[in-house]
Amino acid sequence: AQKITQTQPGMFVQEKEAVTLDCTYDTSDPSYGLFWYKQPSSGEMIFLIYQGSYDQQNATEGRYSLNFQKARKSANLVISASQLGDSAMYFCAMRGVETSGSRLTFGEGTQLTVNP
Amino acid sequence: GAGVSQSPSNKVTEKGKDVELRCDPISGHTALYWYRQSLGQGLEFLIYFQGNSAPDKSGLPSDRFSAERTGGSVSTLTIQRTQQEDSAVYLCASSLEGVRVLPEKLFFGSGTQLSVL
Repeated sequence: AQKITQTQPGMFVQEKEAVTLDCTYDTSDPSYGLFWYKQPSSGEMIFLIYQGSYDQQNATEGRYSLNFQKARKSANLVISASQLGDSAMYFCAMRGVETSGSRLTFGEGTQLTVNP
Repeated sequence: GAGVSQSPSNKVTEKGKDVELRCDPISGHTALYWYRQSLGQGLEFLIYFQGNSAPDKSGLPSDRFSAERTGGSVSTLTIQRTQQEDSAVYLCASSLEGVRVLPEKLFFGSGTQLSVL
């Protein structure tokens, strides 16, 4: 079984500051992928960033970076230079290569609010 | 269209009625997924289609739920004898390669908000 835990139901950040959204996971699969998605109020899920369990370096995509600590089973999302448009729900998700089949397991999400 | 299209965007129905939700994936995407999102919750996997392979139905919550994908493109999720606990947003996603590739990048539609009265 797999589990994703996002312990921050809501986060606030000032515009232009950096923010870290926490994600911890649990899996018995030796090979897995970790994903972050953004869900604005429009409802559409937008892929942000991916980290493979065997990747040596932390993933980065523009202002998004993933702080991957395999031993601690954490995959925190860091958003630098926050913008008002970053206000949204953020979901951490994972899929194990051997055990998940076709399903992504999602956390319950963190609602991020960027203040001007 | 350029993205995943779902219809209707909103559906209100009475308990006990059947509903059909439609998903039109991105052209050329071989994989299609249905997820359900209840209020304030994360996404719950329902079903996965990959090409001509048998679908992975392991996430369907009961036999009232079924889905089909015709011609490898459009998919319909059907809920029979709807119950109030079926009220949720139903999200469809597609990807180019599906689970044969990790990471598979899923493109989601905007969802259908289903309300069962």
